[in-house]
Amino acid sequence: QSVLTQPPSASGTPGQRVTISCSGSRSNIGNYYVYWYQQLPGTAPKLLIYRNNQRPSGVPDRFSGSKSGTSASLAISGLRSEDEADYYCAAWDDSLGGVFGGGTKLTVL
Amino acid sequence: EVQLVESGGGLVQPGGSLRLSCAASGFTFSSYWMHWVRQAPGKGLVWVSRINSDGSRTTYADSVKGRFTISRDNAKNTLYLQMNSLRAEDTAVYYCARGEGQPDMDVWGKGTTVTVSS
Repeated sequence: QSVLTQPPSASGTPGQRVTISCSGSRSNIGNYYVYWYQQLPGTAPKLLIYRNNQRPSGVPDRFSGSKSGTSASLAISGLRSEDEADYYCAAWDDSLGGVFGGGTKLTVL
Repeated sequence: EVQLVESGGGLVQPGGSLRLSCAASGFTFSSYWMHWVRQAPGKGLVWVSRINSDGSRTTYADSVKGRFTISRDNAKNTLYLQMNSLRAEDTAVYYCARGEGQPDMDVWGKGTTVTVSS
């Protein structure tokens, strides 16, 4: 069981907006920034969102992040087939160190 | 080009040891924290360890504390993970990643596979 809780799966059709949630506690999300990673099949993870809502250069503005209290979410608008991947949230935890969510498999129908 | 290349993975018996290396290029290695993250077959990402830029501060996940040691050689632009007393549950792809103190990893290697089995 992961410290950060994500839904195991999400889906949407091309063009739709999809959100993925990430729930934690005061010792992690409540006190620290949230990061989001995208992992395409067979590849290394890629940083998608840092410091709750910042996008690294090269990440399309279709991807956005937000945080409120002890929860965070990743939104993907204008869904595209190439967005089909696993998505992970991450944060620092006061006791455990780095923690990841269990991952959400996004399917583009 | 900014790049991280892991090596040193392989098949090892339970109780054995392995040292992973991560060669960095294309950036000022000595300016960054570095992390190890692992992923068991078909499972999610798990943070393993981090080390600060000069190697004076290290942190470990509870699951590897006392068995794994992270270190770095800034003169050689290389990160290491010494893994002792290996268990079957340590079987995973091990990624090194560049970041800061928090899990804000903006550059990742392709990973090296560690299999612990008799």
